[in-house]
Amino acid sequence: EIVLTQSPATLSLSPGESATLSCRASQSVSRFLAWYQQKPGRAPRLLIYDASNRATGIPARFSGSGSGTDFTLTISSLEPEDFAVYYCQQRSAWPRTFGQGTKVEIK
Amino acid sequence: EVQLVESGGGLVQAGGSLRLSCAASGFSVSNNHMNWVRQAPGKGLEWVSILYKNAGTTHYADSVKGRFAISRDNSQNTLYLQMNSLRPEDTAVYYCARDDMATFYFDYWGQGILVTVSS
Repeated sequence: EIVLTQSPATLSLSPGESATLSCRASQSVSRFLAWYQQKPGRAPRLLIYDASNRATGIPARFSGSGSGTDFTLTISSLEPEDFAVYYCQQRSAWPRTFGQGTKVEIK
Repeated sequence: EVQLVESGGGLVQAGGSLRLSCAASGFSVSNNHMNWVRQAPGKGLEWVSILYKNAGTTHYADSVKGRFAISRDNSQNTLYLQMNSLRPEDTAVYYCARDDMATFYFDYWGQGILVTVSS
């Protein structure tokens, strides 16, 4: 199965700062990668699909890039509601797999 | 408005069975691929199973293959997960999630239901 490794595990930042999250795949997933945001006690929410496309209703401060094995989620200026856990997920091969998550916490 | 509501969770002993339901509204489960995704307490997300819209194709994670079965009832607009031979490591919040049929990512999720397997 394709293993997705996210880094860092935790990112401590202040509102207004920029966040850069990384997701590395154990083999190429082309551009078949998504990013989800999850807040405590809530279901995940789709942010980015196919590496760089924002899902419906997602603010422009969220952007994704990458292809092959290396991907990045950037949050350009953190809002208070952006502090959460972020997961990457691939659909290039079965089984669909998720990264272990990056927690973005308030510094 | 699309909604997914899970039910059927609870506490079960190891070796036991449970059937989860996911009632859909705002769309027909027969028009989308439908999934189950789980999350162990304090852990990350794990995809469990998918039922294709044609209902003839399913996939399972290796961790549940041969023990879990995904199905749907079109008349009830409901997705199911029959879980047999449960193990303590199956303890998790189980989410049903819809595939967006244009992108094949999870665009709508239920609120989740907790399954606890005691040893």
